[in-house]
Amino acid sequence: DQQVKQNSPSLSVQEGRISILNCDYTNSMFDYFLWYKKYPAEGPTFLISISSIKDKNEDGRFTVFLNKSAKHLSLHIVPSQPGDSAVYFCAASSIQGAQKLVFGQGTRLTINP
Amino acid sequence: NAGVTQTPKFQVLKTGQSMTLQCAQDMNHNSMYWYRQDPGMGLRLIYYSASEGTTDKGEVPNGYNVSRLNKREFSLRLESAAPSQTSVYFCASSQIPSGANVLTFGAGSRLTVL
Repeated sequence: DQQVKQNSPSLSVQEGRISILNCDYTNSMFDYFLWYKKYPAEGPTFLISISSIKDKNEDGRFTVFLNKSAKHLSLHIVPSQPGDSAVYFCAASSIQGAQKLVFGQGTRLTINP
Repeated sequence: NAGVTQTPKFQVLKTGQSMTLQCAQDMNHNSMYWYRQDPGMGLRLIYYSASEGTTDKGEVPNGYNVSRLNKREFSLRLESAAPSQTSVYFCASSQIPSGANVLTFGAGSRLTVL
């Protein structure tokens, strides 16, 4: 039972354009959603989060959008840069189960020059 | 400023052998975690320790044991390794969250069981 799903294993985007990574979830009790970025041979690093009471959160080039009715969130990167090439994981947790962060399968983003 | 340190980085075991993965954090975090990453599966929680002296099962605890040695250290033990435990293991830590639970991860330990 995959509660958090990233249906696109990979995505290729030209440098300077917008990258859109998608994530779907099934558990309506999730209160927080997070995005992590992972380079090869390194651990995941936190990128941005959003509370379920909001529909948008922005941090520099990164914006996360949340559509609760559709149980869908997306990460927008504008403009995309070569250093953004990495695997991106979305994750979710509820307040009651705050320690149990549930991750999606990941999407490998490649930025082409 | 080390953050989360895991040892060893690489290990090859034979089926049935035992080993312990070590993890230490220097951020004074209360909570610590062990995840495994497998292709197409994302990261799955094995065990976590919400605070010193407590441990709880995550999504995939079978075949593993953990010890929260003190506030800094959280070890993961494989008593009798199986090929299905071939994976990359990540330790992480966080403060008990008032908002989003932002985990800080170590660099990972790649384990191969033959």
